[in-house]
Amino acid sequence: EAQVTQNPRYLITVTGKKLTVTCSQNMNHEYMSWYRQDPGLGLRQIYYSMNVEVTDKGDVPEGYKVSRKEKRNFPLILESPSPNQTSLYFCASTPSAGLGVYEQYFGPGTRLTVT
Amino acid sequence: GDSVTQMEGPVTLSEEAFLTINCTYTATGYPSLFWYVQYPGEGLQLLLKATKADDKGSNKGFEATYRKETTSFHLEKGSVQVSDSAVYFCALTSGNQFYFGTGTSLTVIP
Repeated sequence: EAQVTQNPRYLITVTGKKLTVTCSQNMNHEYMSWYRQDPGLGLRQIYYSMNVEVTDKGDVPEGYKVSRKEKRNFPLILESPSPNQTSLYFCASTPSAGLGVYEQYFGPGTRLTVT
Repeated sequence: GDSVTQMEGPVTLSEEAFLTINCTYTATGYPSLFWYVQYPGEGLQLLLKATKADDKGSNKGFEATYRKETTSFHLEKGSVQVSDSAVYFCALTSGNQFYFGTGTSLTVIP
């Protein structure tokens, strides 16, 4: 089954404690992306990756890091989480060839709370 | 910069009512436009898309037409069902990035 998986699904942590949210896709997609969803703000793109070892900032990259060492994985790293990073996070993937042609496949989301 | 503006919610309709959710966009170049739907507790799913001006996307009774002259991509459905209750997001892709609207929550009551 084609899918994007994220782990963990729920996470409560404290300010400053480094964490990683994993994302994996089994569709051989080149393009992967991280979004955060906040009430009244919709989804905002944090980082995206066009392919292995190619990453770029989205609209709200501050406080986040990513890496793309393998095609299927795109982890999101919060080196020193702060309460304003409390949010619902989604990973997504799609073929790179013609971004406007294919749909993005979204993971189930990770609800992060930073106290 | 590029952006999407969509109708504020929440929207509550009776079953079989007509639905319109407005969406306008600002973009350089020629973006592709999308409507995604999010059911409670789930990720987003593509509902429909249009890749060029005057294209009409349609799926599950929903329709939207890419209007370049009014920079709009309004979502419509002639007769909503309880199962259509969800949050709807308008989105565009420009360059290598995706931009989403704030989402419109729809509740359909029997």
